[in-house]
Amino acid sequence: EVQLVESGGGLVQPGGSLRLSCAASGFTVSSSYMSWVRQAPGKGLEWVSVIYSRGSTFYAASVEGRFTISRDNSKNTMYLQMNSLRAEDTAVYYCARDSTYYDILTAFYNHDGFDIWGQGTMVTVSS
Amino acid sequence: DIQLTQSPSFLSASVGDRVTITCRASQGVRSFLAWYQQKPGKAPKLLIFAASTLQTGVPSRFSGSGSGTEFTLTISSLQPEDFATYYCQQLDSYPVLTFGGGTKVEIK
Repeated sequence: EVQLVESGGGLVQPGGSLRLSCAASGFTVSSSYMSWVRQAPGKGLEWVSVIYSRGSTFYAASVEGRFTISRDNSKNTMYLQMNSLRAEDTAVYYCARDSTYYDILTAFYNHDGFDIWGQGTMVTVSS
Repeated sequence: DIQLTQSPSFLSASVGDRVTITCRASQGVRSFLAWYQQKPGKAPKLLIFAASTLQTGVPSRFSGSGSGTEFTLTISSLQPEDFATYYCQQLDSYPVLTFGGGTKVEIK
């Protein structure tokens, strides 16, 4: 079965750190674009970070310099290391697979949306 | 970054109604737009990608259209299980893949 399972959320004090994990099954993380998306209580979806199949990483301006995305190919797992946490980082964090693929016939990338999502893990930053 | 504006942000409708949600982009995104459905306490679910392509398993009462800066999601006959919040997302301007603010569809 193709699925993503997040873990690692919890309560942390402002300025603290937390590492989220996203374990994949049924597909290979290192062959995919993988993103973190968060949702603050009662709010909409916010893209946070991405790691491309070739290993490049990018971040939203709101987390740049504080969060680090990575993956362990041997464990087929992606991570989000979150440092210097702030109250405004409080949210449910989802990992998601971006179904982008390169079409050899057309020589174009097809961006077909985030087709697999984890169940989410709650991060609460509060003293 | 590209901004996506959804309208309305909230709508009240009855079972059987035809519902249309609009998503406007601050600059052109070609046809690289997706729609998601989210129910309370659950992860978003991909409904439509490439503006108009239905994801496998999504009922045919859902449809999408548009290109460039204006897009619509239509539910032809609203069913009880369709009451949820819907989000659009642009996938043209990597790496920052912005979402719209959401449209909550509630029972009238």
